[in-house]
Amino acid sequence: EVQLEQSGAEVKKPGESLRISCKGSGYTFSDYWISWVRQLPGKGLEWMARIDASDSYSLYSPSFEGHVTVSVDRSINKAYLQWGSLNTSDTALYFCARHSVTTSYGMGVWGQGTMVTVSS
Amino acid sequence: SYVLTQPPSLSVDPGETARISCGGNGLETRSVHWYQQKPGHAPLLVIYSDRDRPSGVPGRFSGSSSGNTATLIISRVEVEDEADYYCQVYDSSSDWVFGGGTKLTVV
Repeated sequence: EVQLEQSGAEVKKPGESLRISCKGSGYTFSDYWISWVRQLPGKGLEWMARIDASDSYSLYSPSFEGHVTVSVDRSINKAYLQWGSLNTSDTALYFCARHSVTTSYGMGVWGQGTMVTVSS
Repeated sequence: SYVLTQPPSLSVDPGETARISCGGNGLETRSVHWYQQKPGHAPLLVIYSDRDRPSGVPGRFSGSSSGNTATLIISRVEVEDEADYYCQVYDSSSDWVFGGGTKLTVV
């Protein structure tokens, strides 16, 4: 079964750093891209960034560039989303999703989501 | 940046047909994807490339696209279809873009 398994919920203070993960299984990890999607409480979906798992080439939404970093570790089939310094406004549910380089197929596999709470 | 516009909400009776619209400039030149999201769950792809249905998605779900508007059609709506629905496209300038979402209520 093709799956993306995300790391558990996090509670952090403003200014702290954080890295959350997304582990792929049931498929060849390097054959796909991984995107990260944010969902603020009670709000819609926002695309943040994507990374080619084959070579770590990444692209960012202007809304998030410089505030987050995406990476992959192909040896353990994991993708990561990290923050160097969290803000309270980063409190949200974060999803990873798998898609191909061909944009015609959408995002067919999603992780279960990681809730990040940033509060002093 | 590219913008997709959806109605915030739609209410239908069980057994009726729900039509959720998604508007965007030049939409006819893009592949539109649709996602269903129930509370506390990850989004689920229900239609890709305007009108194709992933395996496992009920045949009641279909899609169409014409001009600047794409439509998700849910026939014979069931109570379990109550959810938020999002359209999505890839734009060469904005990358992946989601619509604002439509809350479908089955009354």
